[in-house]
Amino acid sequence: QKEVEQNSGPLSVPEGAIASLNCTYSDRVSQSFFWYRQYSGKSPELIMSIYSNGDKEDGRFTAQLNKASQYVSLLIRDSQPSDSATYLCAVPRGLSDYKLSFGAGTTVTVRA
Amino acid sequence: SAVISQKPSRDICQRGTSLTIQCQVDSQVTMMFWYRQQPGQSLTLIATANQGSEATYESGFVIDKFPISRPNLTFSTLTVSNMSPEDSSIYLCSVEVSSGFRSSYEQYFGPGTRLTVT
Repeated sequence: QKEVEQNSGPLSVPEGAIASLNCTYSDRVSQSFFWYRQYSGKSPELIMSIYSNGDKEDGRFTAQLNKASQYVSLLIRDSQPSDSATYLCAVPRGLSDYKLSFGAGTTVTVRA
Repeated sequence: SAVISQKPSRDICQRGTSLTIQCQVDSQVTMMFWYRQQPGQSLTLIATANQGSEATYESGFVIDKFPISRPNLTFSTLTVSNMSPEDSSIYLCSVEVSSGFRSSYEQYFGPGTRLTVT
């Protein structure tokens, strides 16, 4: 089993819709969870960190964490064409390991 | 967060040569990391570079091929040695910064170096 798995893409959504991205991880002791956005030809940009079970909202982005199910998701509300990018889920390896394991990424296309 | 720069931003090199990539951050950081991202792929960690100690390499990466320097808390270099076309990739440095939440940290990435080996 891969350390971090994301739902396969690409994901195409109409402008204004909600894009839902899912990520599961294998290490039960992980405490920090990150979502990065990567535009084509650019480096990853941290858009959300979540550490506690439940929801965390930041603008149009909401991260949801369920440690019991080892599941973290990212919702993009009111999707805009500028949200078209690849979204990477990242989880540290183990309780104190600072090294991140990245998922394969989900490419989102927002149709105008 | 942190402001990170990399040099060069891109290069085209001949096989058998070496390229040194520089990474500069605007604040002192303990941990710096080097990643590789091959076309259409996710990120793969090459090594972790702490100031004052030898870099630690991930499985599949060796110091002879990817020597790393970390002379101070704001700077690191990665050298890709004896290059082959398989080394064509984007090389990214990242730094670890306190998130401000308990003892958690966040990683921020530089803009990357796009390397093409012919």
